[in-house]
Amino acid sequence: AQSVAQPEDQVNVAEGNPLTVKCTYSVSGNPYLFWYVQYPNRGLQFLLKYITGDNLVKGSYGFEAEFNKSQTSFHLKKPSALVSDSALYFCAVLGGNKLVFGAGTILRVKS
Amino acid sequence: SQTIHQWPATLVQPVGSPLSLECTVEGTSNPNLYWYRQAAGRGLQLLFYSVGIGQISSEVPQNLSASRPQDRQFILSSKKLLLSDSGFYLCAWSWDTELYEQYFGPGTRLTVT
Repeated sequence: AQSVAQPEDQVNVAEGNPLTVKCTYSVSGNPYLFWYVQYPNRGLQFLLKYITGDNLVKGSYGFEAEFNKSQTSFHLKKPSALVSDSALYFCAVLGGNKLVFGAGTILRVKS
Repeated sequence: SQTIHQWPATLVQPVGSPLSLECTVEGTSNPNLYWYRQAAGRGLQLLFYSVGIGQISSEVPQNLSASRPQDRQFILSSKKLLLSDSGFYLCAWSWDTELYEQYFGPGTRLTVT
C-alpha cells in the first residue's frame, strides 16, 4: 500500500532562514507526490506536485520540493521563511484513486 | 471559477442525535467528491468518496453514511451521533481526470456532547 511519513511533528525556524519539512514515501511503482498546507480552522490548499520530470518542483508561495528516488524522500523547502508560512503541512501520495496523507507537520516561523 | 461550500461552519450536537452536513460545488460538472475527518487538528482520514451521482465508496466502517443526490452535492449523515464522531469535517472535490489536486472546503467543526 502507498504511504508517506512525516517524521517531525513540528519544525521551528526563524524568519528569513531556510526551512525544510521532511517527507518520505513508500510506493509500488512510480510515485505521485504532493504537498498541501492548512491554515488554522481552514481547509487544505494545494501547494505543489511531483508526477514526473525534474526532481525539483516549484509551487505556490515560493515553496519548492525535491524528489529523491534513492532516499525515497520528497522534502518541502523554502529559501527564506515568513511568519505567514506558519501552518500545518501535509505530504501526500496518490494511492489508487485516492490521496493518502501523512500525519502532518506544524511549521512555526518566529520573527 | 470553481467554489466549494460547506455548512454549517460549526455544530454542537448531543449524543444520539442525527447529523446532516452538506457540501456543494459550483463552477464544474461531474467532479469527484470526498469527505474527510480531521481529529485533534492533525491527521486526515478519508471517509467517503464519490465519482458520480449515487456512487459512494466507503473507506472506513463507522457510524456515518454519505449520499450524492445531485452532481455537485455531497451529504454526510448519521442517524445517531457518538462522542467519537467529534472532529473537523472537510469536503473536497477534484477533476475526474486529476484526482490528486483536490480543492477543500472551509470545513465543519462538529462537537458531540
